[in-house]
Amino acid sequence: ILNVEQSPQSLHVQEGDSTNFTCSFPSSNFYALHWYRWETAKSPEALFVMTLNGDEKKKGRISATLNTKEGYSYLYIKGSQPEDSATYLCASNPDRGSTLGRLYFGRGTQLTVWP
Amino acid sequence: GAVVSQHPSWVICKSGTSVKIECRSLDFQATTMFWYRQFPKQSLMLMATSNEGSKATYEQGVEKDKFLINHASLTLSTLTVTSAHPEDSSFYICSARDQKDRVNTEAFFGQGTRLTVV
Repeated sequence: ILNVEQSPQSLHVQEGDSTNFTCSFPSSNFYALHWYRWETAKSPEALFVMTLNGDEKKKGRISATLNTKEGYSYLYIKGSQPEDSATYLCASNPDRGSTLGRLYFGRGTQLTVWP
Repeated sequence: GAVVSQHPSWVICKSGTSVKIECRSLDFQATTMFWYRQFPKQSLMLMATSNEGSKATYEQGVEKDKFLINHASLTLSTLTVTSAHPEDSSFYICSARDQKDRVNTEAFFGQGTRLTVV
């Protein structure tokens, strides 16, 4: 079992605000870092999968960075919109060299964007 | 994106009975599927890795005789909670990865099953 931590637990922002969340994971046992967006009553939806130290990925207003040496990743949302309201999950995959692809999740950050 | 269908979305059962949850990959083949459980205010916890045509691999602390996993085809995995008790009440969700993808690609999730044991 891997210990993956996310902060903050919840966040309330106004429409137009930019925000960021943190995910920390064991750097000693790491292969890939996943970010998922989970809306109520829906399936978690993949945002990013990152493997290399220094990786930066962007999808629209959402971007993420990865530091594998110190074991953390940041997710940024620029100009938050009400439709960004969801729980954002990060997960670490430690299975380097195997085909398993197991994911160990943090508790998530619940984002609420007020209009 | 790929679709994973999970049924039922919710179920209420009596203590002592068994409940089966299905997880299907609708438009891709999945050699490996994963089962997670989430208690209130907790993270998604990996229970087991389901391998097509072979025995599942369970995480430490998960009772394999209580949580029976069958992965009989490349598109279907089932989780059976046997002799369910109130403490088994939880949210169960499956995920799968397209077998032709590399292991460091995204996983696709079902919608989850809310199990309540009374």
